[in-house]
Amino acid sequence: RKEVEQDPGPFNVPEGATVAFNCTYSNSASQSFFWYRQDCRKEPKLLMSVYSSGNEDGRFTAQLNRASQYISLLIRDSKLSDSATYLCVVNIGAGNNRKLIWGLGTSLAVNP
Amino acid sequence: DAGVTQSPTHLIKTRGQQVTLRCSPKSGHDTVSWYQQALGQGPQFIFQYYEEEERQRGNFPDRFSGHQFPNYSSELNVNALLLGDSALYLCASSRFPWAGQGFNTEAFFGQGTRLTVV
Repeated sequence: RKEVEQDPGPFNVPEGATVAFNCTYSNSASQSFFWYRQDCRKEPKLLMSVYSSGNEDGRFTAQLNRASQYISLLIRDSKLSDSATYLCVVNIGAGNNRKLIWGLGTSLAVNP
Repeated sequence: DAGVTQSPTHLIKTRGQQVTLRCSPKSGHDTVSWYQQALGQGPQFIFQYYEEEERQRGNFPDRFSGHQFPNYSSELNVNALLLGDSALYLCASSRFPWAGQGFNTEAFFGQGTRLTVV
């Protein structure tokens, strides 16, 4: 089983739709979690950190379920500009041995 | 405040050649990590440098080596290039040891170097 798994998609949704992505991780000792957004041929950029209590930033909501070892990203009222690849990232290890493990990404296309 | 800068942005090399990629971290950051991202894949961790030493390494052969300088900038060297080395090489800077707000921290990425091996 891969350390971090995502459905690669593509997800094709109309403008205004609500779309959700899930990401599962295998290491129960994982300590922190992030969603990055990557536009075509660009570098990844942090979208949201994911906190245990869940967190919301405008149209974006991130949730963490430690018992089931998954995180989710919900996008409401999708915009054309949301079209991108969304990468799930898990920080594992402790102290000096922490490292980021990346999912393969989920591709989202928002259509007019 | 300059972010993470990488050079060159694009590079074409032939099999068997050697290549050096460069990265300057964001101001205030002291740790540089290198990633390889093949088309349609997520970034794969190559290694991380802090205090001019390689601190962690991913599953990459010894053909991949690096260096960090006293000013925190870093180089990634790849010897004996293979066609499969064609990818986007990303540099990320942060503060060691991933310190930040609790366990959460942010890695800032450069725009990447797109390497094509022919």
